[in-house]
Amino acid sequence: KNQVEQSPQSLIILEGKNCTLQCNYTVSPFSNLRWYKQDTGRGPVSLTIMTFSENTKSNGRYTATLDADTKQSSLHITASQLSDSASYICVVRDGNAGGTSYGKLTFGQGTILTVHP
Amino acid sequence: DGGITQSPKYLFRKEGQNVTLSCEQNLNHDAMYWYRQDPGQGLRLIYYSQIVNDFQKGDIAEGYSVSREKKESFPLTVTSAQKNPTAFYLCASSIIRTKNSPLHFGNGTRLTVT
Repeated sequence: KNQVEQSPQSLIILEGKNCTLQCNYTVSPFSNLRWYKQDTGRGPVSLTIMTFSENTKSNGRYTATLDADTKQSSLHITASQLSDSASYICVVRDGNAGGTSYGKLTFGQGTILTVHP
Repeated sequence: DGGITQSPKYLFRKEGQNVTLSCEQNLNHDAMYWYRQDPGQGLRLIYYSQIVNDFQKGDIAEGYSVSREKKESFPLTVTSAQKNPTAFYLCASSIIRTKNSPLHFGNGTRLTVT
C-alpha cells in the first residue's frame, strides 16, 4: 500500500529561524513529489515539484530535496516569516498509467508550522 | 483572475438531509476533483472527472454523488447515506496532458452535520 509519512506533526519556531520538514514515502513506482502550503481555512498551494532525476529545487526561501534511493524528501525554510505559519503537505504521484491523470496521488498528513515573533 | 470558487465557505445541515457543495473553475482545466480533509489525515479522493459527462469514483465515494454537465462546474452532493459527513471539502482542477501539472485548489467548504 502506498504511504506518505511526514514529520514532525507540528513545529514551533521563532521568526527568522530556519527549519526542515521531512517526508518519507513508500509509493512505487515513483513519478514525482510535490510540496504544498496550506494556510488555515484555505486550499493548498503548490510550492515545488521534484521528479526522479532532481535532487534539489528552490522556490524563494523554500528548498526541497529528494533522495529517490531512500525515498525521502525534505522541505527547508530559510529565514522564516510569520506568513510561513501553515500546514505543509507532501504529495507523491505513482508512475502507473491510467487512474487520475497519469497515476494516483498519495497525500501526507501534513506538518503544521507555527512561526512566533 | 483565474481560479476555483467553492461555495459556501461554511455549511450546516441536520442529519438525514442531502446537501450540495458548489465548485466552479475558470482555468479551462479538463480535470476536476473532490477531496475530503479530516484533522491529522491526508486528503482523500472522493470523485474525479476528466471530461464533461464522465466521472469516476475515488477512494471514498460511498455516500457522495457528483455531476459534470459543464466543463467549468463539478458540484458534489453529500447524501444522507454518508455516515460521517462533517469535514472540510476541497475541490481541485488540473491539466491532464502532463503528469507534472499541479492541482489547483479552491478554498474549501467546511460542512458540519448535526
